[in-house]
Amino acid sequence: GDSVTQMEGPVTLSEEAFLTINCTYTATGYPSLFWYVQYPGEGLQLLLKATKADDKGSNKGFEATYRKETTSFHLEKGSVQVSDSAVYFCALRGGNKLVFGAGTILRVKS
Amino acid sequence: DGGITQSPKYLFRKEGQNVTLSCEQNLNHDAMYWYRQDPGQGLRLIYYSQIVNDFQKGDIAEGYSVSREKKESFPLTVTSAQKNPTAFYLCASTPGIGLMNTEAFFGQGTRLTVV
Repeated sequence: GDSVTQMEGPVTLSEEAFLTINCTYTATGYPSLFWYVQYPGEGLQLLLKATKADDKGSNKGFEATYRKETTSFHLEKGSVQVSDSAVYFCALRGGNKLVFGAGTILRVKS
Repeated sequence: DGGITQSPKYLFRKEGQNVTLSCEQNLNHDAMYWYRQDPGQGLRLIYYSQIVNDFQKGDIAEGYSVSREKKESFPLTVTSAQKNPTAFYLCASTPGIGLMNTEAFFGQGTRLTVV
């Protein structure tokens, strides 16, 4: 079945550091790919999405490119802030289900 | 504003009791989902419904039940058969299976604790 694999955390960075969170997927067909962010005690919010190969999703300085050849959708940000501290989930939508990765905790120190 | 409302935000249950978690959406979405979140395990699908009066089991349906009598509502009952119900429960919705490029919208979650 479809699956999503994310790099394990927690990831701890200093403010203004470069961020990469790796995400790879397994799916039949051509799924849509998403990154969600979750702040403590809250639900998930959509961060960005890409719906076909080579699409780049971007929002709030975060970017991810849909790479069909490597089945990847890595999240990047050039300069993180303390307010970016949260849990980040990679997800795909294919068929009837949403499939999520295990989540990666990001901690940014000032 | 459209969105998904989960209630209550915090819920306490005694051993052997059934409890029902509410999820209501005014987005006119066809599909709704229930997920369970435990620390370090991401989101696991409990049940989902694509249309009124129809629902399917997800990966961890044992000990849970749902109903979908109205398009707007998808309540989840945690029964006494669920041996480890303490978790954070999230409800989500999507427009429908035909709109694959649209994202899911989430409620704020219900934290259930067995006391």
